[in-house]
Amino acid sequence: EVHLVDSGGGLVQPGRSLRLSCTASGFTFGDYGVTWFRQAPGKGLEWVGLITSKTYGGTRDYAASVEGRFTISRDDSKSTAYLQMNSLKTEDTAVYFCGRSGPLGSSSIAYWGQGTLVTVSS
Amino acid sequence: EIVLTQSPGTLSLSPGERVTLSCRASQNIRYLAWYQQKPGQAPRLLIYGASTRATGIPDRLSGSGSGTDFTLTISRLEPEDFAVYYCQQYGTSHPHTFGQGTKLEIK
Repeated sequence: EVHLVDSGGGLVQPGRSLRLSCTASGFTFGDYGVTWFRQAPGKGLEWVGLITSKTYGGTRDYAASVEGRFTISRDDSKSTAYLQMNSLKTEDTAVYFCGRSGPLGSSSIAYWGQGTLVTVSS
Repeated sequence: EIVLTQSPGTLSLSPGERVTLSCRASQNIRYLAWYQQKPGQAPRLLIYGASTRATGIPDRLSGSGSGTDFTLTISRLEPEDFAVYYCQQYGTSHPHTFGQGTKLEIK
């Protein structure tokens, strides 16, 4: 059974950093891309960025709102993807979800993590 | 960036009724998905490729459309259908934007 677990959220001060993890099981992690999403309290879904499978170069792309501050990476030996978030702002407060994408990252998301809450506040 | 506009924002209906949700794109898109989300949960994929039901989705849900206009129809509302619905465009063009959502509430 495919399973994704999001972790690493918490309370962090503006300007600080946090790293989220997305740990997968039930499939060959390296064959797939990973997409990160977020949802601010009471708001809609926002695409944050993605990383393709290594077969397609492990290419990354980001939403304009996080470009230059957030970095997505992956460790296929651990079946885990990461979202490194630097220079956090109060508007980054949200529940962050990872999702399993196709190898190129261009697919709908059938499998999601449960989400992890990031609160940016002084 | 492709903008998706969903309408209406909120619908109040009764179980057993039929409903059609709309999603309009700011430019032609090839790939559209629909998701359902309930409070405190991750989204659930309903439809991909505009009209293909995801695994386990009942046939009373159907998607249609192409180009810039897409719809999700639920032929007969069940109590578990009352939730928020999002459309999303995906494919090679980034970002993979979402509509703002349609909330389906019990009348």
